[in-house]
Amino acid sequence: DAGITQSPRYKITETGRQVTLMCHQTWSHSYMFWYRQDLGHGLRLIYYSAAADITDKGEVPDGYVVSRSKTENFPLTLESATRSQTSVYFCASRLAGGLNTEAFFGQGTRLTVV
Amino acid sequence: GQQLNQSPQSMFIQEGEDVSMNCTSSSIFNTWLWYKQEPGEGPVLLIALYKAGELTSNGRLTAQFGITRKDSFLNISASIPSDVGIYFCAGQRYTGNQFYFGTGTSLTVIP
Repeated sequence: DAGITQSPRYKITETGRQVTLMCHQTWSHSYMFWYRQDLGHGLRLIYYSAAADITDKGEVPDGYVVSRSKTENFPLTLESATRSQTSVYFCASRLAGGLNTEAFFGQGTRLTVV
Repeated sequence: GQQLNQSPQSMFIQEGEDVSMNCTSSSIFNTWLWYKQEPGEGPVLLIALYKAGELTSNGRLTAQFGITRKDSFLNISASIPSDVGIYFCAGQRYTGNQFYFGTGTSLTVIP
């Protein structure tokens, strides 16, 4: 199906483990984003990418790593998960930069770190 | 990070009533977006605004880009139960490509 998909939808991991959240889009959008959503904070940007092999930090990048070897994929890795990284993670994409393009979101990954 | 203040934080209304919510910023934004999020789902775009003063409708939803560029408003007319969800505003400045999100307005519609 066309669109933006995230996997897994739910994940439980232990403190200190490495975990990777996947994001795939079929629109050939240039830009992709990772947000985390926590109560009282809304959506906060972790990392974004303007194109393959180009990534930039967002508001809360510490503890996360991203890569973008292909335009359609933008995985987010927690190298050593901590309880504070328990959150709902959303991937988003948009066609291009500039002001007149909207971002579209995936369904989210609920991550619990125990 | 950039702060977008969204109010009210939550609303409980009767079916058929109109709803108003707003989003304010200390900085100027040049794009405003309004999203709705239902439980267990990602945010879905409702309305996008690109010019100061712009008024745009999408069915029963109407959003406005404030003249000062520091605020935006969303109105829902004749609410129905399926309007339930969390509504987020998002703003983008000229510089950079990221959107900053408000903390959301939770809407409950009582049949």
